[in-house]
Amino acid sequence: AQSVSQHNHHVILSEAASLELGCNYSYGGTVNLFWYVQYPGQHLQLLLKYFSGDPLVKGIKGFEAEFIKSKFSFNLRKPSVQWSDTAEYFCAVTPWAGNMLTFGGGTRLMVKP
Amino acid sequence: NAGVTQTPKFQVLKTGQSMTLQCAQDMNHEYMSWYRQDPGMGLRLIHYSVGAGITDQGEVPNGYNVSRSTTEDFPLRLLSAAPSQTSVYFCASKAGDTGELFFGEGSRLTVL
Repeated sequence: AQSVSQHNHHVILSEAASLELGCNYSYGGTVNLFWYVQYPGQHLQLLLKYFSGDPLVKGIKGFEAEFIKSKFSFNLRKPSVQWSDTAEYFCAVTPWAGNMLTFGGGTRLMVKP
Repeated sequence: NAGVTQTPKFQVLKTGQSMTLQCAQDMNHEYMSWYRQDPGMGLRLIHYSVGAGITDQGEVPNGYNVSRSTTEDFPLRLLSAAPSQTSVYFCASKAGDTGELFFGEGSRLTVL
């Protein structure tokens, strides 16, 4: 079975700072990778996903993530965060063509104005 | 465009009581699933279904039952609630191979 680790549980940044959230997974085969965001009081929404092709994927709201297969990593980045990015971010993985999406523990991001 | 609809949004139960969390989607998605969200543990898969009449266990299925009699509905049943089942529950669905899960608004359950 696959597993996902997000090493940063809480991150506090000032507006305009750069963001990088770590995500590592364990699974021996081909995977599909996702980042979801949960704004306060809301349900999860998809930020971006990687299935195949260019390992650098761009998502909504200026977010991007890079899949590094050799490191089993799928880190999320944003060059300049805004107060409205305050949310909890979840990395998730599923085996290619699989049905069990496994989530990491989440990273709670607070952006100070 | 309703998407994924969950009811109730809030529920308080006493230990040993039973209840059903309802989930309905209007996107004709074959795949539906239930997750529970607990602080620091992310979302954990309880049960999922790849189509009407087909269900399977996820990571934390104990204490929960599901059925899938129609494409639209995927109820989650707690047969005898325990305090350990206090959590926020999310229903989610997806279409085919797109991989993107669409989530409901969540149901906050407290078991006393």
